[in-house]
Amino acid sequence: RKEVEQDPGPFNVPEGATVAFNCTYSNSASQSFFWYRQDCRKEPKLLMSVYSSGNEDGRFTAQLNRASQYISLLIRDSKLSDSATYLCVVVTTSGTYKYIFGTGTRLKVLA
Amino acid sequence: DTEVTQTPKHLVMGMTNKKSLKCEQHMGHRAMYWYKQKAKKPPELMFVYSYEKLSINESVPSRFSPECPNSSLLNLHLHALQPEDSALYLCASSQANLQGNGYTFGSGTRLTVV
Repeated sequence: RKEVEQDPGPFNVPEGATVAFNCTYSNSASQSFFWYRQDCRKEPKLLMSVYSSGNEDGRFTAQLNRASQYISLLIRDSKLSDSATYLCVVVTTSGTYKYIFGTGTRLKVLA
Repeated sequence: DTEVTQTPKHLVMGMTNKKSLKCEQHMGHRAMYWYKQKAKKPPELMFVYSYEKLSINESVPSRFSPECPNSSLLNLHLHALQPEDSALYLCASSQANLQGNGYTFGSGTRLTVV
């Protein structure tokens, strides 16, 4: 089993739709969680951190469920510009912090 | 300055060449990272430097040799690479305890080995 797993998609959704991605992780001692966005042939960029209490940034909401070991990202009112690959990141430590990337979920928002 | 700068942006090298990738940040971050990303795959960790010391080497072949001359610079020396090493090489930096906003990535060096 991979350490961090995501549905690769692609998710094709119409503009204005609400879409949700999940990401599961296997290491119960994982400490921090993030969602990154990566556009084609560009570097990953931080979208948001994920907290147990849930957090929201505009149209984006992230949730962490430690008991079930998954994180989620909800995008409301999808825009064409939201089309990208969304990577979840789980941070583990064995003395040094290490990011583990999920496989990424491709989202395409259609006009 | 909230950027990580990588040079060159593109590099084509032969299998017998020696080249270096460079990464620079001035955010006071004390952890720096090299990742390799193949098309349609997530970034894969190669090396982690913490306080200028190599703390993680993810069993990377010795044809890749990292170097951290000071807290702002990270190099990746390349020698005798193979065509399958062609990829996007990403540098990142963070606060050593990963508090705050996590990683900041550079825009990457797109490497082609011929």
